[in-house]
Amino acid sequence: EVQLVESGGDSVQPGGSLRLSCEASGFTSINYAMSWVRQAPGKGLEWVSAINVGGGRTEYADSVKGRFTISRDNSKNTLYLQMNSLRAEDTALYYCVKGERRVPGVIYDAFDVWGQGTLVTVSS
Amino acid sequence: QPVLTQPPSASASLGASVKITCTLSSGFDRYDIAWHQQQPEKGPRYLMKVNSDGRHEKGDGIPDRFSGSSSGAERYLTISRLQSEDEADYYCQTWGTGVLVVFGGGTKLTVL
Repeated sequence: EVQLVESGGDSVQPGGSLRLSCEASGFTSINYAMSWVRQAPGKGLEWVSAINVGGGRTEYADSVKGRFTISRDNSKNTLYLQMNSLRAEDTALYYCVKGERRVPGVIYDAFDVWGQGTLVTVSS
Repeated sequence: QPVLTQPPSASASLGASVKITCTLSSGFDRYDIAWHQQQPEKGPRYLMKVNSDGRHEKGDGIPDRFSGSSSGAERYLTISRLQSEDEADYYCQTWGTGVLVVFGGGTKLTVL
């Protein structure tokens, strides 16, 4: 069964850091583009960051550029999101998502598998 | 970057059908979209991909009651024989170079 399990969410103060993890099972994650998507309380979905098939290219939403870093450990089949300089507006449920196509170099794609999410709360 | 416009709400009776619209902004009417369902207190679930020709490809295990279509810049999600568990938020998504990834604002479906 294809599955994504996020962890690492916590409550932190503004300016703090967190690292989210997403363990993939049932497929080899390096063969697919992967992304992080977040959902603030009571709001819609917002794409945060993506990493391409193979892992050589990354992209970020303007709202997190320069503060967040996406990466993957292929030996552990795990995706990460390093979040620095956190702000109150980063408070959200963070979802790990899998791209649909197994095509070299793809970074943007339909998302065909979602994790259950991990909650990040930024508050003083 | 495209804007995906969805009606904030929709409603239909148990056993009836409903059609939810996602409209792509000008210049982006050839883009594929994906539909996702988010039931209350749950994470989203992928339903299907819909292309500009109206063809749709559903995700694993998605019932036949769910179908997709398109017309011009509009992409549709049709749910037939509505069940209580279909009450959820539905989001459309598009993607591409120069587009990055964009979600619509979501449509809250109420089953009466």
